[in-house]
Amino acid sequence: ETGVTQTPRHLVMGMTNKKSLKCEQHLGHNAMYWYKQSAKKPLELMFVYSLEERVENNSVPSRFSPECPNSSHLFLHLHTLQPEDSALYLCASSQRRIVTDTQYFGPGTRLTVL
Amino acid sequence: AQTVTQSQPEMSVQEAETVTLSCTYDTSENNYYLFWYKQPPSRQMILVIRQEAYKQQNATENRFSVNFQKAAKSFSLKISDSQLGDTAMYFCAFMNQGGKLIFGQGTELSVKP
Repeated sequence: ETGVTQTPRHLVMGMTNKKSLKCEQHLGHNAMYWYKQSAKKPLELMFVYSLEERVENNSVPSRFSPECPNSSHLFLHLHTLQPEDSALYLCASSQRRIVTDTQYFGPGTRLTVL
Repeated sequence: AQTVTQSQPEMSVQEAETVTLSCTYDTSENNYYLFWYKQPPSRQMILVIRQEAYKQQNATENRFSVNFQKAAKSFSLKISDSQLGDTAMYFCAFMNQGGKLIFGQGTELSVKP
């Protein structure tokens, strides 16, 4: 298995749907991240989990709900999204959430909200 | 505020030639890390190279090397002997002491045959 995997790779949903994005890391890391990548903008950090505890939430709307059931899995639950939420959602992991530890990324989920 | 600036939205280079991508950053911290990530059309964000701020020696990884100028807060990436597979978006990133990774807006590099 490659380091960080994400499913699905593509997702189209209506504004009233509920869906979930899944991330799994096979690197034995203890920190996991969700990023949003919109066109022509830098990556935006959404959530950080360290040892399964949420340690950062960067003013993300409540229609995005993260879940980290164990150190290998991270979910992003989506409900009543808006068209402006269409973006590439990237998951990353690192050994710990400290300056010396490199983050490794998954391939992303391309989300389109109709 | 800590920021990363990539002033070249797009660049192109002929295959086998050398290209340099620019990056500047702003921080008051003294101990931090800098990264270049590559994102090809497949969208996978791949680590290219990383530099520790307290190391004066520039990092190298095969055809990739950096020119790290700490006083100038500059961190450029040089790609030698460019290959078609180097075509990608390149992101410069800064990791602060709190472990937060801050990205620039990216430079889209096209390698032409």
